[in-house]
Amino acid sequence: KQEVTQIPAALSVPEGENLVLNCSFTDSAIYNLQWFRQDPGKGLTSLLLIQSSQREQTSGRLNASLDKSSGRSTLYIAASQPGDSATYLCAARGGTASKLTFGTGTRLQVTL
Amino acid sequence: DVKVTQSSRYLVKRTGEKVFLECVQDMDHENMFWYRQDPGLGLRLIYFSYDVKMKEKGDIPEGYSVSREKKERFSLILESASTNQTSMYLCASSGWGGAYEQYFGPGTRLTVT
Repeated sequence: KQEVTQIPAALSVPEGENLVLNCSFTDSAIYNLQWFRQDPGKGLTSLLLIQSSQREQTSGRLNASLDKSSGRSTLYIAASQPGDSATYLCAARGGTASKLTFGTGTRLQVTL
Repeated sequence: DVKVTQSSRYLVKRTGEKVFLECVQDMDHENMFWYRQDPGLGLRLIYFSYDVKMKEKGDIPEGYSVSREKKERFSLILESASTNQTSMYLCASSGWGGAYEQYFGPGTRLTVT
């Protein structure tokens, strides 16, 4: 059974810092890995999807990488801003099913 | 712009009531999902559907049922609501294949008293 872990559970950084969020998964047989953002009391917003054949994806200040052999993905946020404050979730889509297995998230606070 | 909508943002029901949560997507996606999200437990899959009238149990299906009569609509049913079903319920949809992202609705905060 796939298990997804995110460390740290919470992170506070000053505005302007570059930061890395970590995601690890136990079963490397994944179709893709997706990163989401969730604001308090809201639904999830998809940020980036990395297919199993890809190593990384970029969108603006965000860069996500995938290393299937080590069971790891990272989300890099450049030049953080207070508006980046949210909970970030990673999710692995495995096997032949379309199901995602979610990590419990990293709560990010970017301070002025 | 992709869109997943849920019928209610907030819902308060009494124990024993039958509760319907509706989800509609406008992306012609084959797959639709219902999750619940609880503090400390993360997102857990209740049911999913990969085609009209098809359904598969997720990780926590007990106490729930689903209906998918049309491709764009996926309903979650609580036959007899209980207090331990108080939660945030999130609907999502996606296409087939590894290139397809899963898109989420805004969520329904259900309180059962």
